Amino acid sequence: AQKITQTQPGMFVQEKEAVTLDCTYDTSDQSYGLFWYKQPSSGEMIFLIYQGSYDEQNATEGRYSLNFQKARKSANLVISASQLGDSAMYFCAMRELNKLVFGAGTILRVKS
Amino acid sequence: DTEVTQTPKHLVMGMTNKKSLKCEQHMGHRAMYWYKQKAKKPPELMFVYSYEKLSINESVPSRFSPECPNSSLLNLHLHALQPEDSALYLCASSRQGIKGTEAFFGQGTRLTVV
Repeated sequence: AQKITQTQPGMFVQEKEAVTLDCTYDTSDQSYGLFWYKQPSSGEMIFLIYQGSYDEQNATEGRYSLNFQKARKSANLVISASQLGDSAMYFCAMRELNKLVFGAGTILRVKS
Repeated sequence: DTEVTQTPKHLVMGMTNKKSLKCEQHMGHRAMYWYKQKAKKPPELMFVYSYEKLSINESVPSRFSPECPNSSLLNLHLHALQPEDSALYLCASSRQGIKGTEAFFGQGTRLTVV
């Protein structure tokens, strides 16, 4: 069974600084995908970034980058130049075939 | 268009009511999902449809009945719900299989059972 672990229930970051949100996963499959989502208080689940298990390059999308360390089974999200609008819940998720399973989430608060 | 549309956005229903949640996408995705999310918790997978056929049912009570009439539509029929079923219900869609790099969610339906 797949498992996603996010060990940081809450994080604070100063505006304009970078922050890393941790995610580790456990799977016996060779083919899988890793996702990060942002969920503001409105409830919408916003797709941020994707990393495939066979991708050799770390994924980047604007201010978001995914630090993928396959041997350590970690897929940390790095947000550069934090903005007040980045305050939200962040979920790491893993997909094997068509089953997308989420970690417990990290609440990020950006301070001005 | 990367939009998944869910209706209604809010729903209040009694325990004897029958209601339906609707989800629609036009991205050509052939995998569609229903999730249930309680406050401050991660989404929990309920059902997965693959090519309009139910492929995963995570032991969901029969008072929740999913339906996939075509490749763009996904419904969740609700009957005789309990107050503990009050939650945010999220629909998602993705390309089929592991090669899919997209998995998009709708805005959700906030369900209150009274």
